[in-house]
Amino acid sequence: SQELEQSPQSLIVQEGKNLTINCTSSKTLYGLYWYKQKYGEGLIFLMMLQKGGEEKSHEKITAKLDEKKQQSSLHITASQPSHAGIYLCGALRGGYNNDMRFGAGTRLTVKP
Amino acid sequence: GAVVSQHPSRVICKSGTSVKIECRSLDFQATTMFWYRQFPKKSLMLMATSNEGSKATYEQGVEKDKFLINHASLTLSTLTVTSAHPEDSSFYICSARIGTNEQFFGPGTRLTVL
Repeated sequence: SQELEQSPQSLIVQEGKNLTINCTSSKTLYGLYWYKQKYGEGLIFLMMLQKGGEEKSHEKITAKLDEKKQQSSLHITASQPSHAGIYLCGALRGGYNNDMRFGAGTRLTVKP
Repeated sequence: GAVVSQHPSRVICKSGTSVKIECRSLDFQATTMFWYRQFPKKSLMLMATSNEGSKATYEQGVEKDKFLINHASLTLSTLTVTSAHPEDSSFYICSARIGTNEQFFGPGTRLTVL
């Protein structure tokens, strides 16, 4: 089955600093999703990437899917306290149910 | 965008009782819904796939008699935790699928079993 590994597990940065979160898959990714979660709340959809080399941006968050389609990175520029939370990457498993599997998550803390 | 709701958002119950959690797709029909469980500081783990009009498909290690899933209509799936115990305390999240790839997640239900 497909495994998603995220790194780092946790990250503490000073406000204004840039940061990168990585998600590596054991298999080719046909759709990679990034979500943000506040503790005890639901998932906030950030971006979906499908094509190798694809890059999407929303405000100060940029996500890329590498050419070989087995790794994605999420980059936050000039981080703010509002960026704090848990970032999860997810991938569809395919097959009849095509459910989504998630990485372990990266807990981001932004110090003001 | 599509909206998925869950009810209740929080529930506290006594050990041995059963608790029902509802997942509704508010503005679309979903033939497939998914139930996830999330322990503190852990990721989401798929429990089961709920298909309207048929039996749910459970992941390995998930007791189907303990976690009853009913997908009675195209907009509602329910998860009933039967004879709940403290180890069942967790955050339960559902999602509903549109088409083959798009999934929309509910806000989650926090279950605490005393």
